[in-house]
Amino acid sequence: DTGVSQNPRHKITKRGQNVTFRCDPISEHNRLYWYRQTLGQGPEFLTYFQNEAQLEKSRLLSDRFSAERPKGSFSTLEIQRTEQGDSAMYLCAIRLASTDTQYFGPGTRLTVL
Amino acid sequence: TQLLEQSPQFLSIQEGENLTVYCNSSSVFSSLQWYRQEPGEGPVLLVTVVTGGEVKKLKRLTFQFGDARKDSSLHITAAQPGDTGLYLCAGARIRGNSGYALNFGKGTSLLVTP
Repeated sequence: DTGVSQNPRHKITKRGQNVTFRCDPISEHNRLYWYRQTLGQGPEFLTYFQNEAQLEKSRLLSDRFSAERPKGSFSTLEIQRTEQGDSAMYLCAIRLASTDTQYFGPGTRLTVL
Repeated sequence: TQLLEQSPQFLSIQEGENLTVYCNSSSVFSSLQWYRQEPGEGPVLLVTVVTGGEVKKLKRLTFQFGDARKDSSLHITAAQPGDTGLYLCAGARIRGNSGYALNFGKGTSLLVTP
């Protein structure tokens, strides 16, 4: 158990639709990350929260991507007007303040038709 | 641009053989983490190495962090079919406001056949 759950685990949507993914750390680790992983690649960093503050968002892939962490606990990642190129695994990770180590959730697999 | 280069990308061996996976970079990292990932699942942490020259052992797996903290290796002794999976190395370093965001290699896909 990594201490991170993600929902849904799988999402199939049509091009042009909006989708939202949720990440729930079991305990309130204050540092939370989103990554995207496409086939044959390692995960790619998207954005970072410390508590409810989004400290880094320049790596979000386009302005169609946005993330929130309203109360410093769970986080959501939204993709508007999805494109086929958005098909990927979206991963959430948390980090303890005293270490570099990140623990990942099981991911949400997005398929855009 | 991939900061970390992993090799080999694919490896198919028989049960009982030994293998080594390499993770190289020209960048210095504050730590390096190794993960194993199954299809359709998130990466699962195997180990974090922090100190240059550090060696850590996890049963049949031996991890080493290079003296200059730019590279690492994973050695598996007497591989078993249960070792099959994607092995990912990831380096952590401070950069702007990214809070030690991880830079991943592309991974090494390992298949161990009985």
